[in-house]
Amino acid sequence: GAVVSQHPSWVICKSGTSVKIECRSLDFQATTMFWYRQFPKQSLMLMATSNEGSKATYEQGVEKDKFLINHASLTLSTLTVTSAHPEDSSFYICSACPYRGQGQTSTDTQYFGPGTRLTVL
Amino acid sequence: AQKITQTQPGMFVQEKEAVTLDCTYDTSDQSYGLFWYKQPSSGEMIFLIYQGSYDEQNATEGRYSLNFQKARKSANLVISASQLGDSAMYFCAMRGGNAGNMLTFGGGTRLMVKP
Repeated sequence: GAVVSQHPSWVICKSGTSVKIECRSLDFQATTMFWYRQFPKQSLMLMATSNEGSKATYEQGVEKDKFLINHASLTLSTLTVTSAHPEDSSFYICSACPYRGQGQTSTDTQYFGPGTRLTVL
Repeated sequence: AQKITQTQPGMFVQEKEAVTLDCTYDTSDQSYGLFWYKQPSSGEMIFLIYQGSYDEQNATEGRYSLNFQKARKSANLVISASQLGDSAMYFCAMRGGNAGNMLTFGGGTRLMVKP
């Protein structure tokens, strides 16, 4: 089956540092990946849509200079939280949509990574 | 705009019994997809079942079935023969026809299975 990995699984950092989170599709190619954040006991909130080879599309209220997204290949998207602050502490989850070739992306299923728990001290 | 509503923040079910988790949606799209995901305490999102808006039959996947009532805009998840391992958060989500592959999630329902 389709597997998506995230690295690291959890990270603790000091306020003011930058943290990079990787999202990889292990056995399929993904032209589109999504980044979500989830606060405790809340639902997933879409942050941005990551498109391979082009700029990410950010949801309203998400600072693009704060959350840098790079989708450099068909199997890797990265989210960098720049100058992290305690309020950035959250669970970050990515998902990927399989590329079916001929410009077609799967429209039925997104495969989610296991998530990254970020704690900013 | 799309909206997903899950009105049950938490539910209990006795082991081996069936349980229905409610989900209603609102969209102006003619073509859309509905999903259910399970999120255990580990945090991973596990895909359970998918229903397309044009699918005439209700989707089923093992112990999971989706009670799709298009006119009422509801897509309830039915879990039969509950198991202790079913205890988790359950999220209903929708992908709209004009939203690309973007998913909109409901607030979730925490299911607790009692032995």
